[in-house]
Amino acid sequence: QVQLVESGGGVVQPGRSLRLSCAASGFTFSRYAMHWVRQAPGKGLEWVAVISYDGRTTYYADSVKGRFTISRDNSKNTVYLQMNSLKSDDTAVYYCPRDGSHFDSSGYYPSDPFDIWGQGTMVTVSS
Amino acid sequence: DIQMTQSPSSLSASVGDRVTITCRASQGISNYLVWYQQKPGKVPKRLIYAASTFQSGVPSRFSGSGSGTDFTLTISSLQPEDVATYYCQKYNIAPFTFGQGTRLEIK
Repeated sequence: QVQLVESGGGVVQPGRSLRLSCAASGFTFSRYAMHWVRQAPGKGLEWVAVISYDGRTTYYADSVKGRFTISRDNSKNTVYLQMNSLKSDDTAVYYCPRDGSHFDSSGYYPSDPFDIWGQGTMVTVSS
Repeated sequence: DIQMTQSPSSLSASVGDRVTITCRASQGISNYLVWYQQKPGKVPKRLIYAASTFQSGVPSRFSGSGSGTDFTLTISSLQPEDVATYYCQKYNIAPFTFGQGTRLEIK
């Protein structure tokens, strides 16, 4: 069945780094754009980043731009989120929903977004 | 960037009531709007996309409407299992901003 499994979360000190992974199965991963979305404890959903199907194009939320990097390895059916210079405000559950929209270097053409979500991985930034 | 504003922030209604949640975009987004349901401790679940297209398996009591800047999620007859927080989200272009959420409770 279609599945997304996030991993790599944990407790990290402010200013340190962490890399999250999201392993996909049950669908042709290389055809889909992928996002990261986060949710701080007791708060709403916040979009973080998106990567095109081929990994060549990325967009970021202003709150993480310059600190986070989204990447993917289509040979491993995995998308990553490298998080540097972590702050307490980055404490959240991180999800990696897929996006069936067409997204490449020419632009984002919305069609069937955010249909499948993983269970999420918790990141706690604390000293 | 386009802001998404939901109203109300919280809502209490009785079983069988018709419930309406509104989402307003600060600029037009055509029909590029998703509605999610998130039950306590659970993963968000897509209910509706393209403002009014049902996700497979979603009960028919849920419906979505709107275009441009004003959108509505309606539950025609509220059921106990509908207790959740509901979010709207724009997806015409990045950033893919969410509304702040509407918490729905049973009276």
